[in-house]
Amino acid sequence: DIQMTQSPSSLSASVGDRVTITCRASQSISSFLNWYQQKPGKAPKLLIAAASTLQSGVPSRFSGSGSGTDFTLTITSLQPEDFATYYCQQSSSRPKVTFGPGTKVDIK
Amino acid sequence: EVQLVESGGGLVQPGRSLRLSCIGSGFSFGDYGLSWVRQAPGKGLEWVAFISSRTFDETTEYAASVKGRFTVSRDSSKSIAYLQMNSLTTEDTAVYFCTRERQWLGYHFDHWGQGTLVTVSS
Repeated sequence: DIQMTQSPSSLSASVGDRVTITCRASQSISSFLNWYQQKPGKAPKLLIAAASTLQSGVPSRFSGSGSGTDFTLTITSLQPEDFATYYCQQSSSRPKVTFGPGTKVDIK
Repeated sequence: EVQLVESGGGLVQPGRSLRLSCIGSGFSFGDYGLSWVRQAPGKGLEWVAFISSRTFDETTEYAASVKGRFTVSRDSSKSIAYLQMNSLTTEDTAVYFCTRERQWLGYHFDHWGQGTLVTVSS
């Protein structure tokens, strides 16, 4: 099975900060990497597919990069509505996909 | 508007069974693969089961943690999918989400239901 790790597990940031979250796969997954945002009590929302393709309606302050085993999600100029938990997910072994453990972004 | 609505969750005793339902609307239900993803209280996301579209003969796959106990099925004529859960344990306590799989630049879950809570407890 492909294992996913994320770092950090949590971070505190202020509005306007630049935030970077890292996701690593236990083996190469090419660009089969997606990012989701989840707010408390809500379903996850797809932000980025295929490592770097922003979904329709997602603000351009979100961006993704990487390939192979190492990936990043960057939020430039953090906004109040961005405080949430972010999960990476590999689909290389689809349909048996796996998620990272999540990174919680909260207010400093 | 694409919508997925789960139902059927609740409190159930260990060893018993429960069937979840997921009704889809706003899209051609039979043309998409569907997955169930669960989230234990305060924990991360875990993929549970998948059923492919009718194009791919509605084949199924399961996570090792539920294989042999859970069965996913669908009735595309009614735009509904099911997750039959047998021999439940406390480890199955979670919110269960129904998700639509989109195949474009790889695969991803582009729509999620609101989730239904399953609590396994005596």
